[in-house]
Amino acid sequence: DTAVSQTPKYLVTQMGNDKSIKCEQNLGHDTMYWYKQDSKKFLKIMFSYNNKELIINETVPNRFSPKSPDKAHLNLHINSLELGDSAVYFCASSQIGTAYEQYFGPGTRLTVT
Amino acid sequence: EDQVTQSPEALRLQEGESSSLNCSYTVSGLRGLFWYRQDPGKGPEFLFTLYSAGEEKEKERLKATLTKKESFLHITAPKPEDSATYLCAVQKGGAGGTSYGKLTFGQGTILTVHP
Repeated sequence: DTAVSQTPKYLVTQMGNDKSIKCEQNLGHDTMYWYKQDSKKFLKIMFSYNNKELIINETVPNRFSPKSPDKAHLNLHINSLELGDSAVYFCASSQIGTAYEQYFGPGTRLTVT
Repeated sequence: EDQVTQSPEALRLQEGESSSLNCSYTVSGLRGLFWYRQDPGKGPEFLFTLYSAGEEKEKERLKATLTKKESFLHITAPKPEDSATYLCAVQKGGAGGTSYGKLTFGQGTILTVHP
């Protein structure tokens, strides 16, 4: 009974391509996040959506565009992929106002060649 | 700017050898400090939330404590299955976007427990 799921788990693509990563949570949370974990295992927030509204947008190239069709889903679309985009991308969710701990998905390992 | 520094970067223990991991933080208006465990190839798994100095929480062989400047994760009589990367993160309180759960993570401590 997966709480936060992501697809795909692995994504290998060439520079210049456009790709999407999907995330779904069945915890009933109202807030979802995208994090990037680099090769040094450092986790950094990229975006956050609360009830489908973008509320956190860190310094991320505008080639990255999140979309939240409903509060259970948050997708990440990346245009014109670059070598430096290679990383593991994690989706997370939480319930703001009651408990703030975030629950993470299994990650998507993106490799740009 | 919020900062989180974890030490040591890596820790090797023998099974049963207790130790502590450190998380030093700088944040204006701490809402909460979080500990996560991350196994290779998996997402971070939530362990604890600490909200105020002096607070302690326990789970099996793990005990987390919090002061105004740092948090410790104490591991008592560790087992090989405790081997993982332990991540510390802080969340700032306050109005505006920062109240919506942004976590600032440390770089993690890689714990290896040998049988």
